[in-house]
Amino acid sequence: AQSVTQLGSHVSVSEGALVLLRCNYSSSVPPYLFWYVQYPNQGLQLLLKYTSAATLVKGINGFEAEFKKSETSFHLTKPSAHMSDAAEYFCAVSESGTYKYIFGTGTRLKVLA
Amino acid sequence: EPEVTQTPSHQVTQMGQEVILRCVPISNHLYFYWYRQILGQKVEFLVSFYNNEISEKSEIFDDQFSVERPDGSNFTLKIRSTKLEDSAMYFCASLRQATNEKLFFGSGTQLSVL
Repeated sequence: AQSVTQLGSHVSVSEGALVLLRCNYSSSVPPYLFWYVQYPNQGLQLLLKYTSAATLVKGINGFEAEFKKSETSFHLTKPSAHMSDAAEYFCAVSESGTYKYIFGTGTRLKVLA
Repeated sequence: EPEVTQTPSHQVTQMGQEVILRCVPISNHLYFYWYRQILGQKVEFLVSFYNNEISEKSEIFDDQFSVERPDGSNFTLKIRSTKLEDSAMYFCASLRQATNEKLFFGSGTQLSVL
């Protein structure tokens, strides 16, 4: 069965510092992996996705994530945090043929001035 | 970019009452979903719907829940007799056709059961 674990329910970084949000997955078949962002009072927006092409995936707003099969990880990074990045970030996995997307528990990112 | 539309944005109801949450998925999408997020918790899968029938449901989606696509554009989630623990943000989502594609989410309906 597929599952996603996000380490750290809350992460605080200073403006301009590196952002690193962790995601580990479990899947019996090669997965599709996604990062979604949720701003206050809004729905989830796709940041980026991994679909078995390049292992380093670039998304919107300067975010990127690297798929590491040996570590079953798909961590989200951004070199320099901006105040507008403060939001909740969700990692998600889906498996071909199931059409079900499983989300992690989310990581709330706080950016300090 | 096309959007998934959910109405109402907020719904307050009394325990034991029936509620219907409405969604208009993106017009050429084939797969439809309901997720919910209890305050402070993760986004949980409730049900997926394809070809006018439920394709998968979670253990949360018991007999009190039902989904319907009554007219080819709307996709509804009905809770027959609401409980306090049904209070959550309910998200509708739709997908065009493949699992490696982007799942489009609506902005959610905040359901409060009193």
